[in-house]
Amino acid sequence: GAVVSQHPSWVICKSGTSVKIECRSLDFQATTMFWYRQFPKQSLMLMATSNEGSKATYEQGVEKDKFLINHASLTLSTLTVTSAHPEDSSFYICSARAGLAGGPGNEQFFGPGTRLTVL
Amino acid sequence: AQTVTQSQPEMSVQEAETVTLSCTYDTSESDYYLFWYKQPPSRQMILVIRQEAYKQQNATENRFSVNFQKAAKSFSLKISDSQLGDAAMYFCAYRTYTGTASKLTFGTGTRLQVTL
Repeated sequence: GAVVSQHPSWVICKSGTSVKIECRSLDFQATTMFWYRQFPKQSLMLMATSNEGSKATYEQGVEKDKFLINHASLTLSTLTVTSAHPEDSSFYICSARAGLAGGPGNEQFFGPGTRLTVL
Repeated sequence: AQTVTQSQPEMSVQEAETVTLSCTYDTSESDYYLFWYKQPPSRQMILVIRQEAYKQQNATENRFSVNFQKAAKSFSLKISDSQLGDAAMYFCAYRTYTGTASKLTFGTGTRLQVTL
């Protein structure tokens, strides 16, 4: 399958600071990227969907001003957690898909995740 | 909205034995995909198997197979000849067939332990 990378894999920051997480598709062009959040022993919760060159679509209850998503190129999407607080500590996973639509063979590939700890 | 339910928070199987993980879903659509993903301790999501709703034949991938019952909205995963490396969280997921809004909806997961 295709490869999706995330950087950093682990980050610790102080409360009130901003943290940027990068998600890259290494061997395909990702028209659509997804950002998920996963708390310990829980499932993946979709935060937002972004299409290259467009504004991200956020899921209900996700603060768009707090979780800034940029999908400026077909291989890179970034998630910035602004003014992070301890409750933002979580595991963030990105996923990428080559096409806009979820048609046959148009699978999502997942990055390895980023563990964010806010002190 | 679509929902995915996994009623077994934890399951245990002995090495070389067979185990079945349950999943039910709710949707009003007729065309969709169903998936099983594995999340090992590394937390990397790995696609195990996929089923297209329009296909009557159950999908199989080596030791992994599904029992897809469309009318009952049931999608169970059978792991045969279980191996220690199968120990992980398993998530059932649903996705609409097409459209720009197509996105995965995950169940709550089943933690599978494999014992010697």
